[in-house]
Amino acid sequence: DIQMTQSPSSLSASVGDRVTITCRASQSINNFLNWYRKKPGKAPELLIYSTSTLQSGVPPRFSGSGSGTDFTLTISSLQPEDFATYFCQQTFSSPLFTFGPGTKVDIK
Amino acid sequence: QVHLVQSGAEVKKPGSSVRVSCKASGGTFSNSSIAWVRQAPGQGLEWMGGIIPIFDTPHYAQRFQGRLTIIADEATSTAYMELNTLRSDDTAVYYCAGVRFGELLRENWFDPWGPGTQVTVSS
Repeated sequence: DIQMTQSPSSLSASVGDRVTITCRASQSINNFLNWYRKKPGKAPELLIYSTSTLQSGVPPRFSGSGSGTDFTLTISSLQPEDFATYFCQQTFSSPLFTFGPGTKVDIK
Repeated sequence: QVHLVQSGAEVKKPGSSVRVSCKASGGTFSNSSIAWVRQAPGQGLEWMGGIIPIFDTPHYAQRFQGRLTIIADEATSTAYMELNTLRSDDTAVYYCAGVRFGELLRENWFDPWGPGTQVTVSS
């Protein structure tokens, strides 16, 4: 099974900060990596798919990069609605999928 | 645009079963793929299983094999998730999500998502 890790597990930041979250796979997953934002009491929202493709309607302050085993989600200027938990997801083993453990972004 | 509507909250006894529905609104399920994901209190997202028509059978995460059944009724554009032999640690919010495809078979992503169904297992 492909295992996913994320770092950090949590971080504190201020509005306007640049935030970077890392996701690592236990084996190469090419570029089959997605990112979701999850707010309490709400359904997850797709932000980025296939490592770097921005989902329609998602602000351009979100960007993704990486390949193989190491991937990054960057928020260029953190906004109040971005205080949430972020999850990566690998689809290399489709139709079996795995999420990372999440990175919680809270207010400094 | 397709929206997913899920059935309401459930309270179940340990050892019993729960069935959660997920209906597509504003579109159809024809040739659509559905995944089920849950989030237990204080925990992350956990993929449970799903149906992708290009594959013959539903696929389930190893830890739910034998306890989870996922079906899709294209006639009513409704998918169902049934989890048996419930335990207290099955208490969670259960989400359905559409599985989308890119050019490559493994190029998948989950969108849209249903609003979630709270399932509480308690004696």
